[in-house]
Amino acid sequence: GAVVSQHPSWVICKSGTSVKIECRSLDFQATTMFWYRQFPKQSLMLMATSNEGSKATYEQGVEKDKFLINHASLTLSTLTVTSAHPEDSSFYICSAGGLAGADEQFFGPGTRLTVL
Amino acid sequence: GQQLNQSPQSMFIQEGEDVSMNCTSSSIFNTWLWYKQDPGEGPVLLIALYKAGELTSNGRLTAQFGITRKDSFLNISASIPSDVGIYFCASGGGADGLTFGKGTHLIIQP
Repeated sequence: GAVVSQHPSWVICKSGTSVKIECRSLDFQATTMFWYRQFPKQSLMLMATSNEGSKATYEQGVEKDKFLINHASLTLSTLTVTSAHPEDSSFYICSAGGLAGADEQFFGPGTRLTVL
Repeated sequence: GQQLNQSPQSMFIQEGEDVSMNCTSSSIFNTWLWYKQDPGEGPVLLIALYKAGELTSNGRLTAQFGITRKDSFLNISASIPSDVGIYFCASGGGADGLTFGKGTHLIIQP
């Protein structure tokens, strides 16, 4: 159990375009999902907490108008990178957790975004 | 914000050797999690620790939650090639996101 999928696994786009990344919990319902960003050779940094049915909570320094998060259902959260620029190129990873009140989070396989 | 200090940053070992890495923090945590990340993939949970002093094993992996609740270590015994990867400690969770250490890059020489 606790399988999380992401789509697409990689995407290349032109500067100025928007990119949507989907995160799905396949075998459980997740009221809360999380979005992380990982630059090469660095650790994962939490970007935002995605709450089903309410607005996302963003970490300090993360622009909410640039990284739009929609948690449409208990199994789907989407991250849209709007007006992407080369500096947005990164590995974006979602996670879900809170199973049985535990603190463990289960991660998706990640999405590699390259902005040209 | 909270910071986790993970060491060593990288390890070059021979196959069959034991490995030890640790994380420390100036803050008290209620949870310590250890993850492994292979290149181009998301982290995979190895061990979760919830009680101070707790010692938990998962196959050749053993992790302990420090008694002060400010540190944790992960040991890997008799390393094999598939152990190669980046190991992260993390804490937080529940309704909050996780804070990650900077990772320990494990490289195994045959």
